[in-house]
Amino acid sequence: AQKITQTQPGMFVQEKEAVTLDCTYDTSDPSYGLFWYKQPSSGEMIFLIYQGSYDQQNATEGRYSLNFQKARKSANLVISASQLGDSAMYFCAMREGTSYGKLTFGQGTILTVHP
Amino acid sequence: DAGITQSPRHKVTETGTPVTLRCHQTENHRYMYWYRQDPGHGLRLIHYSYGVKDTDKGEVSDGYSVSRSKTEDFLLTLESATSSQTSVYFCAISATTGQPQHFGDGTRLSIL
Repeated sequence: AQKITQTQPGMFVQEKEAVTLDCTYDTSDPSYGLFWYKQPSSGEMIFLIYQGSYDQQNATEGRYSLNFQKARKSANLVISASQLGDSAMYFCAMREGTSYGKLTFGQGTILTVHP
Repeated sequence: DAGITQSPRHKVTETGTPVTLRCHQTENHRYMYWYRQDPGHGLRLIHYSYGVKDTDKGEVSDGYSVSRSKTEDFLLTLESATSSQTSVYFCAISATTGQPQHFGDGTRLSIL
């Protein structure tokens, strides 16, 4: 079974609108962490936001927020007020508690922001 | 930006030749990782290190070996490159297992 599933190969959003990128995960470990990374066309991997399994509140970082629904095993990334520079590939990743910090990545979602 | 340098940034080589990719960090982080990125697969872990001379296999380790003789350097070796190893290779580091990993800029490797 896939540990991280990103069901949206591509998403489109109008500039200044909000967009949600979906991520579901599968683990039996009670301690885990969820990460989102951005990969622009230039290729580098940029860390965006982190949510720990024991965190009581949803993580936020500027225009990024993580909609964490533990019972549903989902960790969706919300980007508010989209900008043209948000056009990129977005990866969801999971670290399981006893894994030396190893990350398992989803296949990614390509986000295109239209002017 | 985290001080991570991957070298070379691009390489083209022939099937059967040995290839070594280097990851150098200036952050003194304990944990280092090698991933490969292929279309449709996201990033997949090849090998990782949790200290000097402490390494272990990841999800796609066949055909790869690693070494870490000092904190700052983590080498990935393809002993006899095959065309299926054509990929973009990323190195990542983290100070602890709970902190986000920060990535190098990647090495684009083509094996003909």
